[in-house]
Amino acid sequence: GNSVTQMEGPVTLSEEAFLTINCTYTATGYPSLFWYVQYPGEGLQLLLKATKADDKGSNKGFEATYRKETTSFHLEKGSVQVSDSAVYFCALTFYNQGGKLIFGQGTELSVKP
Amino acid sequence: DGGITQSPKYLFRKEGQNVTLSCEQNLNHDAMYWYRQDPGQGLRLIYYSQIVNDFQKGDIAEGYSVSREKKESFPLTVTSAQKNPTAFYLCASSISGSEQFFGPGTRLTVL
Repeated sequence: GNSVTQMEGPVTLSEEAFLTINCTYTATGYPSLFWYVQYPGEGLQLLLKATKADDKGSNKGFEATYRKETTSFHLEKGSVQVSDSAVYFCALTFYNQGGKLIFGQGTELSVKP
Repeated sequence: DGGITQSPKYLFRKEGQNVTLSCEQNLNHDAMYWYRQDPGQGLRLIYYSQIVNDFQKGDIAEGYSVSREKKESFPLTVTSAQKNPTAFYLCASSISGSEQFFGPGTRLTVL
């Protein structure tokens, strides 16, 4: 079946450090890929998305590139801030299958001043 | 402002009781979804609905029920048959073929 695997957390970084959160997927076909962010006690917010191979999604300094050959969608940011502390979820969907999201387990990021 | 609202924010239930979680959206989205989140885990799909008066089971539908009588509303009932209902419940909606938007969530605790 379809699945998403993320690197385990928690990830602890100092402010202005470089961030990478790994995400790989297993799927039959070519899904759309997403990164969502969840702040404590809140719902999920869409951070970025990519709908086909080699697409790069970007938002608020975060980037991720859809790599079909490695079935990956790693999240990166060049310089993290304390306000980026949150849980990050990688997810996939097939729109012709009801648009159901399949999530990774989430990666907690903690940024220290 | 357009968005998704969930109520209540916190809900406490005694064992053996049914409870209903509310989800309302004014985004004119066709599709709505319910997910369950447990600590340290990703979200798992409970039920989803692509049109009014129709819905499908997700991966963990046992012990839950839903209705979709109006486009704007997709309430979730957690029944006494759900063995371990304590969790954070998230509702989402989307235009068909586009990304999902999430509500703020309801935290259910069984006493």
